[in-house]
Amino acid sequence: QVQLVQSGSELKKPGASVKVSCKASGYTFTNYAINWVRQAPGQGLEWMGWINTDTGDPMYVQGFTGRFVFSLDTSVSTAYLQIYSLKAEDTAIYYCARGSGDAAFDYWGQGTLVTVSS
Amino acid sequence: SSELTQPPSVSVSPGQTARITCSGAALPKQYAYWYQQKPGQAPVLVIYKDTERPSGIPERFSGSSSGTIVTLTISGVQAQDEADYYCQSANSSDNWVFGGGTKLTVL
Repeated sequence: QVQLVQSGSELKKPGASVKVSCKASGYTFTNYAINWVRQAPGQGLEWMGWINTDTGDPMYVQGFTGRFVFSLDTSVSTAYLQIYSLKAEDTAIYYCARGSGDAAFDYWGQGTLVTVSS
Repeated sequence: SSELTQPPSVSVSPGQTARITCSGAALPKQYAYWYQQKPGQAPVLVIYKDTERPSGIPERFSGSSSGTIVTLTISGVQAQDEADYYCQSANSSDNWVFGGGTKLTVL
């Protein structure tokens, strides 16, 4: 069965960086995009962008350029989200979700809570 | 502000029908999708391409579309349907956008 399993919660200080992983199983990893979605505490869902798992090309939505980096390791069917120069406002749950064309985001990871606090 | 507008909350009694709307200028040209998110859990896709239901989603969940408004209908609401519901679509730049979310309360 399709699964996306994300890495565990992180507590970081302002200015540090964090790398969140999203390991896929149950399907051919390079056949589907991986999307990243942010959910700030008590807030709604915000699409950050996606990465083409076949070419490795990322696309970032406005507001998530510069400090946010999507990457892959296709040998282990894993996508990564790295955030640099963390700020308190980056505190959120970050989800990866499989992009399935017309079925949009059909499978989601369980989410990774990133807390930025001094 | 979101390009997709949802009511913040909807309340229904068990067994009644809940309707959650989502409005957006691009909806006549783009498919809509609906996600259910229960507290502490990841979102789950419940409707795709306006009206299609993924396997495993109960038949009481249905979607419809009319012009700039799409609607998620939950017939015979059960206590377990209490959750936040988000609509999603593509905007004029072909970027995914989510609605602000609707909290469904089962009275």
